[in-house]
Amino acid sequence: KAGVTQTPRYLIKTRGQQVTLSCSPISGHRSVSWYQQTPGQGLQFLFEYFSETQRNKGNFPGRFSGRQFSNSRSEMNVSTLELGDSALYLCASSLAGTGRDTQYFGPGTRLTVL
Amino acid sequence: AQSVTQLGSHVSVSEGALVLLRCNYSSSVPPYLFWYVQYPNQGLQLLLKYTSAATLVKGINGFEAEFKKSETSFHLTKPSAHMSDAAEYFCAVSASSGSARQLTFGSGTQLTVLP
Repeated sequence: KAGVTQTPRYLIKTRGQQVTLSCSPISGHRSVSWYQQTPGQGLQFLFEYFSETQRNKGNFPGRFSGRQFSNSRSEMNVSTLELGDSALYLCASSLAGTGRDTQYFGPGTRLTVL
Repeated sequence: AQSVTQLGSHVSVSEGALVLLRCNYSSSVPPYLFWYVQYPNQGLQLLLKYTSAATLVKGINGFEAEFKKSETSFHLTKPSAHMSDAAEYFCAVSASSGSARQLTFGSGTQLTVLP
């Protein structure tokens, strides 16, 4: 089975712009979670989608949003980019998003905001 | 609320020596515990997980971890370090209900293996 794929792998934007990141989960997985990784804050949960519905959301401002499509692919969007949004954004998929399910991570999208 | 504490942000061992990476968790409900490894410019790869079956869990690449409820610990060990083990290791906790289903990560431990 193919793993979790994320596109693009690298992205450079300027402050004030918006960005959309894409994630394709492992075939058959219905839950997709997004995490932000920075040197200062570590790995932080952004949100989780299951069957096109957001089930959980982390403590991030409303500039961060996402969605999930009927084929379980997911996108996240960040509007009005700030310098502090520079990070590695990781997507993870699991079968059903229960706590015991293994989350399989993609390689991430490295976002740099100038 | 859940949390994970990883003692030691940097650990160095000699090749062939024992690897011990420490993880303590806090959870108000029975936890599920995970160890992930991250190599430079890559995502996270699961090493092993505890989901309330055997308390001693064996994972990939010779790693294992023991769940100790009384000590709220889930330390990662490997008897003999290899150069290829150099990476960053993350301990994470989740649970079965509500928002706790999401992974809460520790701050990570960078493992250096010396020749």
